[in-house]
Amino acid sequence: DQQVKQNSPSLSVQEGRISILNCDYTNSMFDYFLWYKKYPAEGPTFLISISSIKDKNEDGRFTVFLNKSAKHLSLHIVPSQPGDSAVYFCAASRMTTDSWGKLQFGAGTQVVVTP
Amino acid sequence: DSGVTQTPKHLITATGQRVTLRCSPRSGDLSVYWYQQSLDQGLQFLIQYYNGEERAKGNILERFSAQQFPDLHSELNLSSLELGDSALYFCASSVATSDGTQYFGPGTRLTVL
Repeated sequence: DQQVKQNSPSLSVQEGRISILNCDYTNSMFDYFLWYKKYPAEGPTFLISISSIKDKNEDGRFTVFLNKSAKHLSLHIVPSQPGDSAVYFCAASRMTTDSWGKLQFGAGTQVVVTP
Repeated sequence: DSGVTQTPKHLITATGQRVTLRCSPRSGDLSVYWYQQSLDQGLQFLIQYYNGEERAKGNILERFSAQQFPDLHSELNLSSLELGDSALYFCASSVATSDGTQYFGPGTRLTVL
């Protein structure tokens, strides 16, 4: 049962333009969301997170938007740079005692930033 | 560098064998998580330990077990290995659950022949 979905397996964007990555979830109990970036042969690298009490969080070139009613979040990267070419994973968790933050991951979106 | 270390980086073994993967969390982190990434399944949560105690279980097979030691490092034991166990195994750690952010190690690539 895939509770976190990234429906776009790939995204190509020009250097300097905005990259928008989308993620949908089905479990309304999720209350913490994260984005990770992954290069081949490396572990996922934490990018940015957002709690369900917020609808936006910014960190430098990265902004995450959360729409709880639509069960949808997105990651905006502005401006996109060649080093941003990687696989991006959306993850969600329930910060409760029995879950203790175990992450449910989407399938990932491969981003390619072209010159 | 996340501060999470995993050994070995690569492991090649045969079906039916047993292997142990090792993880050292970031300094100060009490929680350790294990994830499996296979081609057809994506990143799947296996198990979590907090300060030596098992706290959450995911899709972990009975042939797999884990533990967290007093120095907080963790080991994932995989036994009676099958071809389908070939995957990347990641360890992650977090302080506790204060903000839920987990930091991942570089992974161990297991190949079962």
